[in-house]
Amino acid sequence: GNSVTQMEGPVTLSEEAFLTINCTYTATGYPSLFWYVQYPGEGLQLLLKATKADDKGSNKGFEATYRKETTSFHLEKGSVQVSDSAVYFCALRPRSTGNQFYFGTGTSLTVIP
Amino acid sequence: EAGVAQSPRYKIIEKRQSVAFWCNPISGHATLYWYQQILGQGPKLLIQFQNNGVVDDSQLPKDRFSAERLKGVDSTLKIQPAKLEDSAVYLCASSLWGLAVRETQYFGPGTRLLVL
Repeated sequence: GNSVTQMEGPVTLSEEAFLTINCTYTATGYPSLFWYVQYPGEGLQLLLKATKADDKGSNKGFEATYRKETTSFHLEKGSVQVSDSAVYFCALRPRSTGNQFYFGTGTSLTVIP
Repeated sequence: EAGVAQSPRYKIIEKRQSVAFWCNPISGHATLYWYQQILGQGPKLLIQFQNNGVVDDSQLPKDRFSAERLKGVDSTLKIQPAKLEDSAVYLCASSLWGLAVRETQYFGPGTRLLVL
């Protein structure tokens, strides 16, 4: 089946700290992988995506590399800011269906000054 | 470009009452999705429309939930009667075609439902 497992939160970091949020997946076929961010009171926004092995998605200083051998898509940022405080969701879209997204449970990040 | 619009933003009802949510997708987007996001969980797909036809409603509790997209543009999701466990955020999303595995979904702000 298809599923996404994220590291549990909440995660609290000081400003300028390094961020890693782990994400591993199980999929039938060869999925596309996504990171979405949800700021308080808002809907989900696409942060970055990768559609094939070894692709690196990046946006706003965040990066994630599609690792087929470890079935992982870990989110990283070298220096977090207070404005990065949000909930981060890892998601996959399997090629076998081409339609449904499967989301992880989300990881809450709080960045303190 | 306007984003996905949803209303209302918040709704509080008592159990066994009915409630309806409205969604207007991004102009020109053929595919529309309704998700249920329970607190502390990721979004779960309830139903997917391609234009005005249903593509996937396998996880929609059809005894109480219904959805329609009559003209292939905006959509309504209804719950009748509501249960306590329906308390959640209901997210609407849209995508251009919905068929390409690379395609991005764009989400609305959601409707937060509390059933007392």
